[in-house]
Order: sequence, then C-alpha cells, then structure tokens
Amino acid sequence: DAGITQSPRHKVTETGTPVTLRCHQTENHRYMYWYRQDPGHGLRLIHYSYGVKDTDKGEVSDGYSVSRSKTEDFLLTLESATSSQTSVYFCAISDPTGTGRNNEQFFGPGTRLTVL
Amino acid sequence: AQTVTQSQPEMSVQEAETVTLSCTYDTSENNYYLFWYKQPPSRQMILVIRQEAYKQQNATENRFSVNFQKAAKSFSLKISDSQLGDTAMYFCAFMSYPFSGYALNFGKGTSLLVTP
Repeated sequence: DAGITQSPRHKVTETGTPVTLRCHQTENHRYMYWYRQDPGHGLRLIHYSYGVKDTDKGEVSDGYSVSRSKTEDFLLTLESATSSQTSVYFCAISDPTGTGRNNEQFFGPGTRLTVL
Repeated sequence: AQTVTQSQPEMSVQEAETVTLSCTYDTSENNYYLFWYKQPPSRQMILVIRQEAYKQQNATENRFSVNFQKAAKSFSLKISDSQLGDTAMYFCAFMSYPFSGYALNFGKGTSLLVTP
C-alpha cells in the first residue's frame, strides 16, 4: 500500500470554528490532492498541489485553503467551518509524467468531518 | 469542463454471474485517461482498471474488462464471475493531461451488490 496517512480520521466540530486536516505521504510524489465525498456527488476536487508551495483550485474550493511547505505534507484548512462542509475528505497522491503515464492516484483512508 | 455520468445508481448481480456498469463522459480534450475505482464498505479507494484514450484495445485486469467506445464517449466496466467481495461502490473517472493538474473527475457512482 502507498504510504498515505490522514489525520484526524474523525472529527466533530462546531460551526464557525477553524479546522485543519493533514495529509502525509512517504512516497515522495509530486502531486497531492484533496477531494470531498458526499452522497449523490461522488468525489469532487477541492484543491491540488503540484509541488512545494505550488497549489491550484479545484471544482469546490470556496471556503477551503491549502498549504504545502514540504513535499510530504498537504494541509487542508476550513477557516470557519459550516454545516455544508460536513463530508468525508480524501487525500490522494500521484507522480504523473507529461504524457499522463504513472498517473494512478493513491488515496488515503479518508477523514470524516462533522460540523454541527 | 468534463462531465462523467453513471446512469445506474444501484445494481445487483448473483455470485458467479456477469454484470456491466455504464459510464459516459463528455470532453473536448484529445489527451485523457479513463479509470474505474472501487470503494468497498471500508471506504478505501482502489483502482480497478485504467484505459488510455489513444489505445483502441480495451483494457482487461483478470475478471474486469472495459468496453471503450471513444466516438460514443462510453466506458463501461464488465465484471465476470462476480464474487461477494465485489460488493462496493464503483466510480468512473476521467483525467485529461497535461493540464488540469492530472486531477480526477468522478461520476456519482454505482452501488453494486453481489448476492449469494
């Protein structure tokens, strides 16, 4: 299994509080991703990173920020959590080439976040 | 923007039988890959099979095979000799390259139940 961990695995928080989720990899992959999974929506991209300090927005980035200060860590922050951000959050990593080869994404175990 | 459509929210198949899951996609890109991911009750995302769009030959992985119809933008998954362990959510996903960060664009999923 690819070395990807997510912390915490479960979190319950209240509306308006800041929350940070951490993704840690030991594979030295360049690309890291944050997705959220909601019933009826599949997985949707929040943000991704293509290197240290290089990040870009995904489909559902509003209300989220990210940071990547080291190759192995990718943080997702909810500055002020809302109930609509209750979801399961997945981190993924990959190391694709320019032709897209080696493009398999390896997923972490997920974090279940509940915002009350 | 690319869209991925899985028209079957739920399916059921008997053990040892064959089942086909449907997926269609819409894109104007020329360079892309298509994937099927499996998510069992453990919530772990597992790559089942991958298809390069420039290859006409359909991908196969043991009991799993795809029917890739590029002109029709169709990418169905066939599971032969279904096993109880195949019970899971199955997601079709699209990835274009080299732009868009090699991120995955998922369908909403098909819940497959394999019965004894």
